Amino acid sequence: AQKVTQAQTEISVVEKEDVTLDCVYETRDTTYYLFWYKQPPSGEWVFLIRRNSFDEQNEISGRYSWNFQKSTSSFNFTITASQVVDSAVYFCALSTTSGTYKYIFGTGTRLKVLA
Amino acid sequence: GAVVSQHPSRVICKSGTSVKIECRSLDFQATTMFWYRQFPKKSLMLMATSNEGSKATYEQGVEKDKFLINHASLTLSTLTVTSAHPEDSSFYICSARDLAGDWDTQYFGPGTRLTVL
Repeated sequence: AQKVTQAQTEISVVEKEDVTLDCVYETRDTTYYLFWYKQPPSGEWVFLIRRNSFDEQNEISGRYSWNFQKSTSSFNFTITASQVVDSAVYFCALSTTSGTYKYIFGTGTRLKVLA
Repeated sequence: GAVVSQHPSRVICKSGTSVKIECRSLDFQATTMFWYRQFPKKSLMLMATSNEGSKATYEQGVEKDKFLINHASLTLSTLTVTSAHPEDSSFYICSARDLAGDWDTQYFGPGTRLTVL
């Protein structure tokens, strides 16, 4: 079975706080891809990052960082020094060979950053 | 790069009419596009996979005669909601894969909000 779990339904933080969004996935495929997308209140989906299963290197992009750990099947996303503009729903997704590369989405985490 | 557009962004129609939504990859070619539906406060539900030059593949439970998909070129896919009813009101989003880039990555359009009166 393939599954993505985002256990945090909603998180509220005060501006400038750091926040980590959790993503746990399940798959028996050895080759798979993980993604994070952002959906701000305007509704459009914004691609944030792609990671393949053979690359466990963590990535940092500005205030965003991602921690991929195959040992715990997790692909967590951290926003450092959060800003009000970070308020959005964040989705984690998995695609696999056996799933014909269709996306399996988590249920999303709504992040509210308060001024 | 990897920009996907959708038109219209919003549409309101009367029950029984048909509505066409266009999805375009603006700066890349996409042999595969996807059509999703998103309910309020929910994630995306895949409706169908659209393949250029061939018939779309519909997910279980999606009526192919109601949601007509055409993928006539490498940059354009259309979704037509036929004989729309109020229960078809939703946010419809398309995505496309960039064959020349990370082909497994889907880039999403801005979505079309359909309201059926």
